[in-house]
This record gives sequence, C-alpha cells and structure tokens, in this order.
Amino acid sequence: GAVVSQHPSWVICKSGTSVKIECRSLDFQATTMFWYRQFPKQSLMLMATSNEGSKATYEQGVEKDKFLINHASLTLSTLTVTSAHPEDSSFYICSARPGGSETQYFGPGTRLLVL
Amino acid sequence: GDSVTQMEGPVTLSEEAFLTINCTYTATGYPSLFWYVQYPGEGLQLLLKATKADDKGSNKGFEATYRKETTSFHLEKGSVQVSDSAVYFCALLTNSGYALNFGKGTSLLVTP
Repeated sequence: GAVVSQHPSWVICKSGTSVKIECRSLDFQATTMFWYRQFPKQSLMLMATSNEGSKATYEQGVEKDKFLINHASLTLSTLTVTSAHPEDSSFYICSARPGGSETQYFGPGTRLLVL
Repeated sequence: GDSVTQMEGPVTLSEEAFLTINCTYTATGYPSLFWYVQYPGEGLQLLLKATKADDKGSNKGFEATYRKETTSFHLEKGSVQVSDSAVYFCALLTNSGYALNFGKGTSLLVTP
C-alpha cells in the first residue's frame, strides 16, 4: 500500500516551454502533498506544500508564478514549470501524506532537462 | 531552527560488513525521526521511523534507535549486501510542522 506515482519520469523540453508533472496517490487519499527539488548529489529541498482545495504554500525563494501547483483532488497534485530555462533542470520529487498520518510517501521522481 | 546532520559519505564497505551511519538532530519539542533510502535514479522510500524517545525502528535488517539524551538516530545494519548500495537520508518531522527536514544524505557503496 501507500504508492505514489509521478508522470512523466523523464522530460526533455526546449527553453521557454512549460512542463506539467503529475503526482498521484494510488491507494490512499492525500490531504497534503509536497513538492521537492533535488540537485545532483544533494539533499531534497522543499519547494511547496499543497493541501487539497486550497492554495499551495511556497518556501522562501521559490517563485510561485514559475512553479504552479494545483491540488485539485485528494489523489492528484500537479506541478507546472512555466517558461522553463536550463537552470530549472533538476530532479523533482513529490510526496503525499494520508490524512491523520505523519508519514510521507514519495513518488519515484521526474527528471527534467531543459535545453 | 530544526536541522539534521548526518555523516558525510561516501561510505564504502565490503559485503557482510557492519554499517553505521550517524545522524544527529536539533529540534524543539519532540520530533519524529525517519530514515529514507534512495536507490540510483529513483525517488525516496521510507526505510524506518521512530516517533518517541527510546523507540527502535527496524526494517530489512536496518535498525535505528531514537536517543533523546544524545539527540541521535544512527542507522545500523549488521551485515550489508551489495543491494544496499544507495543514498540514505535522515529526516525529522517536528510536532508543530508537517514538512520533513532532511539531512544531506550519505552515499553507501557495498562491494562484493
């Protein structure tokens, strides 16, 4: 149980385009979902927290207009990287937390390469 | 603020060796503590957790004990396998927050 999927797993795009990443909790309802960014050989940096039906809370230094987060249902959150640039290339990982639980379950990650 | 410090890697061990990865934390209150593992090219998987002092989390031969007196949560395994090669992250969750605070990760390489 407690499986989280992400789609796509890999994406390569041209500079200036927008990319949408989906995060789904497959067998539980996630009241809260988190988006992280991981640079090579570094730890995870929390970008934002989203609660179903409300606006995401962004961490300091994360541009909310660039990284659009939507948590429209209890099983789906999306991260859209708008007007992507090469410096946005990274590994993006989502996690989901069931209601009443403190444990987060992580997706397999999405590797984004912006050319 | 809350933080996690773990030993820097990479750690290289021979198969069947004993593993210890140190993790200490700074937090107000009584955090929950976690170890996550990340295999190459994949996301994080929860390895084990402990929610209060003196709790021992265990899974797949790995163990960690929540030591409040030393603010530590060291990860141990008695006999590592090649398949244990991965990056291990220590993390804490404060009882007032909902986001995990991660350490920088420790890379483990187990050789045959």
